[in-house]
Parts: sequence; C-alpha cells; structure tokens
Amino acid sequence: DTAVSQTPKYLVTQMGNDKSIKCEQNLGHDTMYWYKQDSKKFLKIMFSYNNKELIINETVPNRFSPKSPDKAHLNLHINSLELGDSAVYFCASSLGTGTGELFFGEGSRLTVL
Amino acid sequence: QQQVKQSPQSLIVQKGGIPIINCAYENTAFDYFPWYQQFPGKGPALLIAIRPDVSEKKEGRFTISFNKSAKQFSLHIMDSQPGDSATYFCAAIAGGGADGLTFGKGTHLIIQP
Repeated sequence: DTAVSQTPKYLVTQMGNDKSIKCEQNLGHDTMYWYKQDSKKFLKIMFSYNNKELIINETVPNRFSPKSPDKAHLNLHINSLELGDSAVYFCASSLGTGTGELFFGEGSRLTVL
Repeated sequence: QQQVKQSPQSLIVQKGGIPIINCAYENTAFDYFPWYQQFPGKGPALLIAIRPDVSEKKEGRFTISFNKSAKQFSLHIMDSQPGDSATYFCAAIAGGGADGLTFGKGTHLIIQP
C-alpha cells in the first residue's frame, strides 16, 4: 500500500496551459506539503497544510494554488504554465507541523515546452 | 536567514570506504536535524535524525555526528556499498516547525564496486 501517492507521475504540456497534480496520503497524518525540486536537485518548500488549513505559503507565484479538500488530500493547481515551472513536484506528509519526519511521494515530473 | 549549507556537492568512494557528508547551520532555533536519502526517480526518504542534546547517533551503518558549538553535523556511512549510491540531503527544523524543513542542497554519492 502506497503511503503518499501522487498523480500523474509525468506531465508534459505547453506554455500557457493549466495543470493539476493530485496527492493522497493514507498514513492518517495531519500535515501535508508541496516541495519543488529543480534540475540541480534543490528541494524547496512551497506550501504546507495542517488539517486543511494553510500553514506555510512560501514566495511562490500566485499561479500556483494548493487545495486541500480534506486532511488526506492536497492538490496543486498551476495556471498559465511557464518554462521555469519545469521541475519535479513532491507531495509529503507528516504527523504534525514540527516533526521534521516527512514521508514523500514519488514525485510528479512536470515538463513545460 | 534560515539556511543549511551542505558539502561536498558530489562524492565518489570505493566500496567499503567511509563517505562523510558535512552540513552547517546558522539558526540556533533549529532543534531537529534529519538526513534524507533519495534514489533516482523516487522521493526522499528519512534515513536517520538527531537532536542537539546528543553528539552522535548510529543506526546500522549510518552515523550522525553533531557539534552544537560549531553548529555543524555530518553523516558517515560505514562499510559503504554500491546500493548506498544516492543523493543525500541534510535538513533542519526549528521547534514548532512553523517554517517547515530547510534542506541542504544535496550530495550526490557514488560508491564504486
């Protein structure tokens, strides 16, 4: 059973399009995150939600909008995609906000042409 | 500024050798220091973690050494194996976790047979 699952695993799309990535965790965790990993492998937090409430919202273009319908799901919608959005996006979850023990999904590789 | 500086960027070690990856931080509010291991095409996975009240922690072949006064910590891999080849990230989080995990930039480790 996959603990943190993301779909799709790969997205290839044109500039200007809108796309969504879905994430679900079955660990019973309260906190979920979106991280972006660039081509140099640097991991940067984008958002975190605790019990459906936005906790962290880093300096991310407002074209990126997270949505948490319930504490087991955190989706990421991206409007008007740009070339620089190409990256691997990781969803993660943790038992609380301060544990530092994150469980990551396998990532969604977004390529914008 | 919340930063964790990691070195080296890449490392090649012969099988059986002891690769050492170093990290340094500035924020004295950090109180939990995990290491994550990432294989190609996978998400990062928690490997081992330490709190600043201890100077060393061992789990199997992996050891964290922690120097609170120098604000440095390092990962040692004993009897390294080709299967240990991966990217390793150090990270840190402050109490409460309001800002989430801060990751180092990663070390690409190759263990040669």
